[in-house]
Amino acid sequence: RKEVEQDPGPFNVPEGATVAFNCTYSNSASQSFFWYRQDCRKEPKLLMSVYSSGNEDGRFTAQLNRASQYISLLIRDSKLSDSATYLCVVNPLGSYIPTFGRGTSLIVHP
Amino acid sequence: NAGVTQTPKFRVLKTGQSMTLLCAQDMNHEYMYWYRQDPGMGLRLIHYSVGEGTTAKGEVPDGYNVSRLKKQNFLLGLESAAPSQTSVYFCASSYLVGTNYGYTFGSGTRLTVV
Repeated sequence: RKEVEQDPGPFNVPEGATVAFNCTYSNSASQSFFWYRQDCRKEPKLLMSVYSSGNEDGRFTAQLNRASQYISLLIRDSKLSDSATYLCVVNPLGSYIPTFGRGTSLIVHP
Repeated sequence: NAGVTQTPKFRVLKTGQSMTLLCAQDMNHEYMYWYRQDPGMGLRLIHYSVGEGTTAKGEVPDGYNVSRLKKQNFLLGLESAAPSQTSVYFCASSYLVGTNYGYTFGSGTRLTVV
């Protein structure tokens, strides 16, 4: 089983739709979690950290479920500019090395 | 505040040639990483450093060497380039691992080996 797994997609949604991605992780001792956004041929950029109590930033909501070992990202009112690949990142406790998922591709169409 | 700067942005090498990719960060970060990204493969860790003067191997270290003589710089070397090393290379840095600071990436180096 891969340490961090994501559905590669693509998720193809119309503007204004709500879309959600999940990311599962295998290391129960994982300590911190992030969602990154990567545009085509660009570097990954931090979208948001994921806190245990869940957190929201505008149209984006991140959740952590430690019992089932997954994190989620919900995007409301999708915009064309949200089209990108979304990477989840997990930091195992005591490790210097973050684990990146392979990403979920989102395409928002008019 | 430039963040993480990678040079060069593009390079074409002939098989067997050598080159050095430079990563510089101005955020006083302790941890630095070199990744390669290939289509369908995600980010794969080549080498990393937890502080000045220290380096360690990642998932795919063969064919690469690194050095971190100064805290702000992390160099990735290819001694004898091979076509299999054609990829996009990203450098990243982090203040602390296991916190909510996250990782800052450079804009990447697109390397083609012919």
